[in-house]
Amino acid sequence: GAGVSQSPRYKVAKRGQDVALRCDPISGHVSLFWYQQALGQGPEFLTYFQNEAQLDKSGLPSDRFFAERPEGSVSTLKIQRTQQEDSAVYLCASSAQDRGGTQPQHFGDGTRLSIL
Amino acid sequence: SQQGEEDPQALSIQEGENATMNCSYKTSINNLQWYRQNSGRGLVHLILIRSNEREKHSGRLRVTLDTSKKSSSLLITASRAADTASYFCATDNQAGTALIFGKGTTLSVSS
Repeated sequence: GAGVSQSPRYKVAKRGQDVALRCDPISGHVSLFWYQQALGQGPEFLTYFQNEAQLDKSGLPSDRFFAERPEGSVSTLKIQRTQQEDSAVYLCASSAQDRGGTQPQHFGDGTRLSIL
Repeated sequence: SQQGEEDPQALSIQEGENATMNCSYKTSINNLQWYRQNSGRGLVHLILIRSNEREKHSGRLRVTLDTSKKSSSLLITASRAADTASYFCATDNQAGTALIFGKGTTLSVSS
């Protein structure tokens, strides 16, 4: 497709379960970002990939959060042993060039994660 | 942590009126961007202004940047009901590896 695609759109999990969220960026985009957005707040940065290299993971809140982009295209954000405070919308964004934080980013519609 | 703050938090206007939103940030920047988010959707890029620019226009949008005051404003002229959304400013971290967003302004335009 022409835009950033995220799946699933909605995910409900019980506390303690592991979840995996997928992001298909725009084809050929070098930079890929993950953000977490709590209700009524702005997105908060989680991690950044330049192609397959994870160059910045300073925003990941704990070691339960793990992201990968093994072939430099599709990315997966995994959350292990989920907790209620992980409930949020997880947004993926991509941009055409490196140093994507300095360029317009294209966002997917996000995955709304609810932890029961 | 959030880089900046948008002001006001919420704004309600009538169609045809102008809407002005302000953003303040804390650290030096390479550029500042504005995004729109409709309910339940992802963010859409509106405009990017570089640190050496003072004003930029795009259609009905006008953005200003004052780096000495670490502030920016977004003006939407002749607003429409379709402009109803949340608006966020965002600045890059110095490494260019992340966008740092404010908390947003929720704009409601009634017909």
